[in-house]
Amino acid sequence: GQQVMQIPQYQHVQEGEDFTTYCNSSTTLSNIQWYKQRPGGHPVFLIQLVKSGEVKKQKRLTFQFGEAKKNSSLHITATQTTDVGTYFCAGRGDSSYKLIFGSGTRLLVRP
Amino acid sequence: NAGVTQTPKFQVLKTGQSMTLQCAQDMNHEYMSWYRQDPGMGLRLIHYSVGAGITDQGEVPNGYNVSRSTTEDFPLRLLSAAPSQTSVYFCASSYWPRRGLQETQYFGPGTRLLVL
Repeated sequence: GQQVMQIPQYQHVQEGEDFTTYCNSSTTLSNIQWYKQRPGGHPVFLIQLVKSGEVKKQKRLTFQFGEAKKNSSLHITATQTTDVGTYFCAGRGDSSYKLIFGSGTRLLVRP
Repeated sequence: NAGVTQTPKFQVLKTGQSMTLQCAQDMNHEYMSWYRQDPGMGLRLIHYSVGAGITDQGEVPNGYNVSRSTTEDFPLRLLSAAPSQTSVYFCASSYWPRRGLQETQYFGPGTRLLVL
């Protein structure tokens, strides 16, 4: 079945450093979505990418969707303490109804 | 709009007991799903539904049943609780993917379940 892998599992950075998490799917995806979950909270939608090679920016966050539509990345420039949380990617296969989540990357930021 | 609501917020069960986790949404979303999240882990899909009367299994369906008699409600039933089902359960809903529309998943606040 479809699998979505995410690395790294944890990242501990100094405030102001950059952060990147990577997502890889075992199958081609119709779209990839990114979510953020604060400690004790529920996942909150950040963005959806649909097109091959697509790049979207939200302030300090940059999202990319690979040319083959099987991988994606989230890059945060100059992290802030408010960026703390776990970032998940989620993908749906081309012919699947299932939305499968990656295992997440937990970001910790030292002030 | 209340969004996605889940009840109860917290539940303690004994091994072998059954219970139903409630989920409701008021956004007229076709797609609803249940995920479980174990400590420090990602979200694993239990069951999902693409509309009233239509449900299907996700990645980890064993030990759980669902039904979708209305667009708004999507209850999750634990048939005979086991300690391995101790987890946080999230319900989510979204519009079914259409060209030009974002497939935003709206999550409920979660139900924390402890099985002794």
